[in-house]
Amino acid sequence: DADVTQTPRNRITKTGKRIMLECSQTKGHDRMYWYRQDPGLGLQLIYYSFDVKDINKGEISDGYSVSRQAQAKFSLSLESAIPNQTALYFCATSDTRVNHGYTFGSGTRLTVV
Amino acid sequence: DAKTTQPNSMESNEEEPVHLPCNHSTISGTDYIHWYRQLPSQGPEYVIHGLTSNVNNRMASLAIAEDRKSSTLILHRATLRDAAVYYCILRDEAGGGSNYKLTFGKGTLLTVNP
Repeated sequence: DADVTQTPRNRITKTGKRIMLECSQTKGHDRMYWYRQDPGLGLQLIYYSFDVKDINKGEISDGYSVSRQAQAKFSLSLESAIPNQTALYFCATSDTRVNHGYTFGSGTRLTVV
Repeated sequence: DAKTTQPNSMESNEEEPVHLPCNHSTISGTDYIHWYRQLPSQGPEYVIHGLTSNVNNRMASLAIAEDRKSSTLILHRATLRDAAVYYCILRDEAGGGSNYKLTFGKGTLLTVNP
């Protein structure tokens, strides 16, 4: 099993629909992140959480919300999806105690039509 | 936030060394230099990081300039599996202390020719 699991892997949704992307991890890391990647571009940070009670906005949080349900679970919601939210979404984790870098999930490809 | 500058793309031949440069002239004294790579259709993968001294691990080496304004990721023998986008990133300390987040740029697309 992957250390960081994202579901679904692919999703097509209609404009205006609410959609949730889920992320779970088995690494025991305290920090979790959601990134978005558009074709040919780098990753942009949407939200990050340093522990269960800590949620912070990233560079592009408008139109998104998150929930840290447990240390191992961090979900991203699009309240009313729009076409320019079509992108590849990545969840990542890291550990306060050791600086060994981030572990990323395999991504969710979201298409809003 | 301190920024990095990388070439958009580089090419290499299989089994030859590759030197991927990164400029970070505005780096602060406590910024760590991180390198990640992203293989096609995958999430980014941690490669290596360092502060002042050169670093080696099983994947690569990191050479850091004495003034820390630039660094180079070295792949000693490129393979076809090393074809990826390589990101050079400075640690961005949020919240002080040991909390930090990483800001990704566009990276360098490395093509490895057989």
